[in-house]
Amino acid sequence: GAVVSQHPSWVICKSGTSVKIECRSLDFQATTMFWYRQFPKQSLMLMATSNEGSKATYEQGVEKDKFLINHASLTLSTLTVTSAHPEDSSFYICSAGPGPGPYEQYFGPGTRLTVT
Amino acid sequence: DAKTTQPTSMDCAEGRAANLPCNHSTISGNEYVYWYRQIHSQGPQYIIHGLKNNETNEMASLIITEDRKSSTLILPHATLRDTAVYYCIVYNTDKLIFGTGTRLQVFP
Repeated sequence: GAVVSQHPSWVICKSGTSVKIECRSLDFQATTMFWYRQFPKQSLMLMATSNEGSKATYEQGVEKDKFLINHASLTLSTLTVTSAHPEDSSFYICSAGPGPGPYEQYFGPGTRLTVT
Repeated sequence: DAKTTQPTSMDCAEGRAANLPCNHSTISGNEYVYWYRQIHSQGPQYIIHGLKNNETNEMASLIITEDRKSSTLILPHATLRDTAVYYCIVYNTDKLIFGTGTRLQVFP
């Protein structure tokens, strides 16, 4: 299947700083990518839809000014957690698919963020 | 998107078939049934999907009832590496909305 990578795989940052997470589709182009967050022992929660060349669409309750999404090319989307706080510590996962829906999405390995 | 109901957890002996049920009684005609699984601390992995007909691939089989209100994912010969949380999702838009899934434990 298609490959999606994320970088970094884990990151520790101090409270108040910003952290950028990259999501790349390695062998296909993706006009749309998705960002999820997962807390321990919970399911994945969709945060936002990242659209190449346009603004991201955020799910209800997700602060767009805190979670900045940039989808600058057909193979790269970035999620920046601004002014991170300990409650932002979580497992962040991106996904992408090779075509318009419905289609199987391929998920990255995830990024574990710990804010101290 | 239609809501799904799955058992919280299931056990299966290694080498036996694992049958994971999913209820989606409010599914509409153009919504697909998708299955993903998530092994601990990894990103979810696509398994299989279907609309009306039963489907089979190298990983699993998907049986969808004639009224499409429920489905069963079958892992024909479960291994220890199949221990994971399995998610049944129905959708026809671009977004995958995950429920709580079924935690499958395969034991020796």
